[in-house]
Amino acid sequence: DIQMAQSPSSLSASVGDRVTITCRASQSISSRLNWYQQVPGKAPKLLIYGADTLQSGVPSRFSGSGSGTDFTLTITSLLPEDFAIYYCQQSYSLPFTFGPGTKVDFK
Amino acid sequence: HLQESGPGLVRPSETLSLTCTVSGGSIGNSHYYWAWIRQPPGKGLQWIGYIYYSGTTSYNPSLKSRVTMSVDTSKNQFSLNLNSVTAADTAVYYCASLRNWGGILDFDYWGLGTLVTVSS
Repeated sequence: DIQMAQSPSSLSASVGDRVTITCRASQSISSRLNWYQQVPGKAPKLLIYGADTLQSGVPSRFSGSGSGTDFTLTITSLLPEDFAIYYCQQSYSLPFTFGPGTKVDFK
Repeated sequence: HLQESGPGLVRPSETLSLTCTVSGGSIGNSHYYWAWIRQPPGKGLQWIGYIYYSGTTSYNPSLKSRVTMSVDTSKNQFSLNLNSVTAADTAVYYCASLRNWGGILDFDYWGLGTLVTVSS
C-alpha cells in the first residue's frame, strides 16, 4: 500500500493568515493526489483533484501543487469557515489511501 | 446526492449491512464508480471498496475477506455487507461517488455518513 504522510498534524492560525499543508507519498504517485476538507461532524468535501485542479464551486483561495511524492495545499487568506481538518488522498494505485489529516484551528 | 441507510447498532460477529441511494444522477453513469469509506470515531478515513454499475468490484485487501458489495441499478442503489464485525468496525460509514475523469479518480460527492456501532 502507498502510505501518505501529512505535516503538520495540526496548526493554529488566524483569519487572514496564509496556510500551507504538505503531503508526502511513500512512492511516486504522479499527480494522482486529491485534497479534502472535513468540518467536524460533516462529510469530507473534495477541494482539489489531480494535485492542482480546483473542484467546481471551491473558492480560489485554495490551491494545490506538486507531483511525484511531494504535494502542497495552500489557503491564501483563511476565513472562519476554513477551520477544519484537511486530508490528502492518493488515487494512483489500489488500495486508495488517505493521509492522517491536518487540523487547522483558531490561534 | 447520496444517502446511507441501515442499522446503527450491530452485534459482534454479525453482519453490517448498509445501502446507499443515489439521487440526481444515474448509477449507470460510465464515468462513476460507487464507493464506501469509513471513519472510526476521532480517526482518519479508510477506503473500503467500490463497485461499478456492471457489478465489478474492488475491495481494500485489509477487509477483502469480510466485504461484499452489490448494486441495484433499477433502484439506483448500492450496498455494503461487512461480516464478522468486531468493535474495531465501529465507525461512521460514508458512501461516495468515485469519479473517473480521464484517468483521474476522486471522491467528488459524499453521503452524510451513518454511525454504526458494534456492541452487544
